[in-house]
Amino acid sequence: DAKTTQPNSMESNEEEPVHLPCNHSTISGTDYIHWYRQLPSQGPEYVIHGLTSNVNNRMASLAIAEDRKSSTLILHRATLRDAAVYYCILSPSGAGSYQLTFGKGTKLSVIP
Amino acid sequence: DAGITQSPRHKVTETGTPVTLRCHQTENHRYMYWYRQDPGHGLRLIHYSYGVKDTDKGEVSDGYSVSRSKTEDFLLTLESATSSQTSVYFCAIRTSLEETQYFGPGTRLLVL
Repeated sequence: DAKTTQPNSMESNEEEPVHLPCNHSTISGTDYIHWYRQLPSQGPEYVIHGLTSNVNNRMASLAIAEDRKSSTLILHRATLRDAAVYYCILSPSGAGSYQLTFGKGTKLSVIP
Repeated sequence: DAGITQSPRHKVTETGTPVTLRCHQTENHRYMYWYRQDPGHGLRLIHYSYGVKDTDKGEVSDGYSVSRSKTEDFLLTLESATSSQTSVYFCAIRTSLEETQYFGPGTRLLVL
């Protein structure tokens, strides 16, 4: 399985943008890039995903490098509720694919 | 919210006793998953199901069995619980939309 590399932790001030990086140099052409987050004492929560183009939704934006070897999750205005562990995960598409492999993720702290 | 519930939410049991955890979904998704989460290991896949009566093993399946007799319910059974199975268990469903998974609230299991 293609692996991802994320910083162990990051800090952000409240109401400022946050850029969470992820490296995935061995990504294959059919791998989707997924981001999940896990708030304390809760299950993982889907944030966003993409394949090649940048993506936006109500929670965040996903910027994907042209060579797809890295991506950045962008929270436009961090709130205290965004303090969580963020996971960058590659998921192969197509029949038979089934598993999300969670690494250690990036623990985001938001400072009031 | 993908309509996923887990029961019980908390359970304390003794070594050697059987335990069954239930995952229930309301949206008829084909794929369902059981993960466990432990400090230092992240989420690890135990078993998954790709349809009624169709199941397969994940990364850490030893000591666990599963059953899926109807689309909406996926049961995880610990035939004879051990202290090493003390963990937080998460159920997930997979939508057909590009492998995205949605997680339940989790079950905290303590085996004494």
